[in-house]
Amino acid sequence: GENVEQHPSTLSVQEGDSAVIKCTYSDSASNYFPWYKQELGKRPQLIIDIRSNVGEKKDQRIAVTLNKTAKHFSLHITETQPEDSAVYFCAAMMGAAGNKLTFGGGTRVLVKP
Amino acid sequence: GAVVSQHPSRVICKSGTSVKIECRSLDFQATTMFWYRQFPKKSLMLMATSNEGSKATYEQGVEKDKFLINHASLTLSTLTVTSAHPEDSSFYICSGTSGSLDTQYFGPGTRLTVL
Repeated sequence: GENVEQHPSTLSVQEGDSAVIKCTYSDSASNYFPWYKQELGKRPQLIIDIRSNVGEKKDQRIAVTLNKTAKHFSLHITETQPEDSAVYFCAAMMGAAGNKLTFGGGTRVLVKP
Repeated sequence: GAVVSQHPSRVICKSGTSVKIECRSLDFQATTMFWYRQFPKKSLMLMATSNEGSKATYEQGVEKDKFLINHASLTLSTLTVTSAHPEDSSFYICSGTSGSLDTQYFGPGTRLTVL
């Protein structure tokens, strides 16, 4: 089955700096890669996603890049703000596997004011 | 975006009792619903996939007789934890998708504590 590795597990940045989280996946058949933000005790919220026919996608301060050859994708948050503090999860989905998501281990991001 | 609700949000029960958790899609028809379990400071682990009107598909290591899943309608799936034990204490989260679309919308989660 699919395996998703996520790094780093914790990330501390100064407000205004950029944060980068990297994920690798194992199955080349995976074709959908969402990123979720989860605050303590809350539901995961989709913040951005990318499909395998696209190399990069941006939404305001958030961007995601995908390298299918290397099987890795990254989340970039620019101009970080304290409210960006949360746990971020990457995930990979193989459509042929019934749209099941495999999650990375998560990255706890702390933005220091 | 699509909205998914869960009930209850929090439940405390005695060891040996059964607990039912409901997951509802409020503004879309969820042809597929997923159930996840999340331990403290850990990632989401898929337990099972349920399609409306058919039996759920369980992930390896998840006991289907202990975690009963019913997806009787396009807007409701239930997870029943039977004969709960303290090790079943966790955060249970459902999600739903519509048709062939891949985006999963998550419910707010249910925190189960078994004493």
